Amino acid sequence: QVQLVQSGAEVKKPGASVKVSCKASGHTFTPYGFSWVRQAPGQGLEWMGWINAHNGDTNYAQNFQGRVTMTTDTSTSTAYMELRSLRSDDTAVYYCARFRITMAYIDVWGTGTTVTVSS
Amino acid sequence: QSALTQPASVSGSPGQSITISCSGTSSDIGSYNLVSWYQQHPGKAPKLLIYEVNKWPSGVSDRFSGSKSGDTASLTISGLQTEDEADYYCCSYAGRTTFVLFGGGTKLTVL
Repeated sequence: QVQLVQSGAEVKKPGASVKVSCKASGHTFTPYGFSWVRQAPGQGLEWMGWINAHNGDTNYAQNFQGRVTMTTDTSTSTAYMELRSLRSDDTAVYYCARFRITMAYIDVWGTGTTVTVSS
Repeated sequence: QSALTQPASVSGSPGQSITISCSGTSSDIGSYNLVSWYQQHPGKAPKLLIYEVNKWPSGVSDRFSGSKSGDTASLTISGLQTEDEADYYCCSYAGRTTFVLFGGGTKLTVL
């Protein structure tokens, strides 16, 4: 079945960067988009943006523009999300998800990666 | 653009029906039939329940149904079961710039 397996938990200091990976299996990688959504402790879902795995087009949420980069490696069916200049309020679970771009919905969610930002 | 507005909590008894509202604007819900709903149990990843306002993905029970009127979308859960106790999030396309907005989430308690 379709699976998105993410990299393990990270602990970072303020000002550092983190790069989370998301390996897809069980489906063809390139026809889809991949989005990233985060959830701070006890909070709701926050949209970060998406990348088109076919052509590399990206669309980042305004809150993250200039600080986030989403990429894909089609040879390994892996999506990546790098967030820079980390602050304590970036502490969250980060989810990758398979995103149906034209219909704007997520049909498969990843396993989640906990990122903790602390000095 | 602000997040979509959902009630913080709703509750119901087993067997009953409940409806969760999701209020947006003419720039998002009101302009596009691209509303989706997700269920999230504690400590788990969200799960797709409804897409394009009222369509079911494979494997989702038809006890969950979606609708839209004007700038407000709704999720109705009929025949409540204890395993329906979870957080529910609405989501809407909001145009090329913003692209997607989530609601703040609604905690469903099955009494």
